[in-house]
Amino acid sequence: DTAVSQTPKYLVTQMGNDKSIKCEQNLGHDTMYWYKQDSKKFLKIMFSYNNKELIINETVPNRFSPKSPDKAHLNLHINSLELGDSAVYFCASNLMGGGDNEQFFGPGTRLTVL
Amino acid sequence: RKEVEQDPGPFNVPEGATVAFNCTYSNSASQSFFWYRQDCRKEPKLLMSVYSSGNEDGRFTAQLNRASQYISLLIRDSKLSDSATYLCVVNEGGNTPLVFGKGTRLSVIA
Repeated sequence: DTAVSQTPKYLVTQMGNDKSIKCEQNLGHDTMYWYKQDSKKFLKIMFSYNNKELIINETVPNRFSPKSPDKAHLNLHINSLELGDSAVYFCASNLMGGGDNEQFFGPGTRLTVL
Repeated sequence: RKEVEQDPGPFNVPEGATVAFNCTYSNSASQSFFWYRQDCRKEPKLLMSVYSSGNEDGRFTAQLNRASQYISLLIRDSKLSDSATYLCVVNEGGNTPLVFGKGTRLSVIA
């Protein structure tokens, strides 16, 4: 069984397009996250959601918007894609937030903006 | 934002070698500590938590020095399958997200 799943796994698109990445976790966790890992492999937090409320929003452009229809899903919408958005995006989840419990990551979505 | 610093490597070691990774963190109020492993083109996965008294899991030993704000990971008898990037991760407490180091890349060579 897949604990944290993401779709699509690969996404290639043109500059200026709008795209979405979906994430689902079946672990019963109450906090979900989106991370960006760039070409230098640095893993940077973008958002986290706890009980459907955004609790952390790092300095991410407002072209990026997380949407959580329920506790098991946290989707990422990106408007007006730019070349610099090319990266691997990881969804993650854990229980109770705060990081004391193991954080489980999805397999990642490799986004390439042409 | 507070930082977590690691030597990026790469560390190239022969099979059977012992290798140690170090990590420093700048937030003295940090509450818990972890090592994650990330294989090439894969997601990070928890390797082990790091406890104040030090802890061991098979060939892996993690240690924490709160006074020096320093964390280490020791791998004994390296295997080819240990080749990966090792991420030092710090929980600064409350509802703050985990802070990831940039990772140390290890290549174990036959």
